[in-house]
Amino acid sequence: DIVMTQSPDSLAVSLGERATINCKSSQSVLYSSNNKNYLAWYQQKPGQPPKVLIYWASTRESGVPDRFSGSGSGTDFTLTISSLQAEDVAVYYCQQYYSSPFTFGPGTKVDIK
Amino acid sequence: EVQLLESGGGLVQPGGSLRLSCAASGFTFSNYGMSWVRLAPGRGLEWVSGISGSGDGTYYVDSVKGRFTISRDNSKNTLYLQMNSLRAEDTALYYCAKSSSIVVVTASGKGYFFDYWGQGTLVTVSS
Repeated sequence: DIVMTQSPDSLAVSLGERATINCKSSQSVLYSSNNKNYLAWYQQKPGQPPKVLIYWASTRESGVPDRFSGSGSGTDFTLTISSLQAEDVAVYYCQQYYSSPFTFGPGTKVDIK
Repeated sequence: EVQLLESGGGLVQPGGSLRLSCAASGFTFSNYGMSWVRLAPGRGLEWVSGISGSGDGTYYVDSVKGRFTISRDNSKNTLYLQMNSLRAEDTALYYCAKSSSIVVVTASGKGYFFDYWGQGTLVTVSS
């Protein structure tokens, strides 16, 4: 199984400042046949289900604010919130869908400093 | 508007059974693969099982193989998860999640991300 790790476990950022979350997979999730990274990012707010923010590592889901961006390839990925807003307080998960079982990172909790 | 509504959770003793349901609306149900994903206290999100749009492809995480069965009734727009021989470690909030494709796993073994999730149903396994 592909093991996903995230860092940091939690971070507190001032409103308007940048938040950066890292995700690492135990093996590459880049498929050479289509040059796509099978990596998604989800946001889960308290009492709500997860919501997809980014897929294919860097494609923003429709309706997601452009302050959210994804980057990386192979085994190392980053979710960046360019200017943290109060409504961004949540736990963020990365997930690989390169191979079954599809596995998630342990999550990163983002809070306001 | 896509809606997924889970039901069937509850308190069950170890070794017992439960059947979860997920009623879907707002999209052509048979055109999309569906999955169950659980969130256990202190353990994060775990994909449990998936089924293709036609129902002919089913997939499980190793820890539930032989105990859980995923199925769907496309005439009723409903997804199911039959859970037998339940263990304490199955205690979790169970979400149904819609795949962004008709398949859950492609012929080359690749998957798809989950674009919609239900609110979840809580399963507690305890004596």
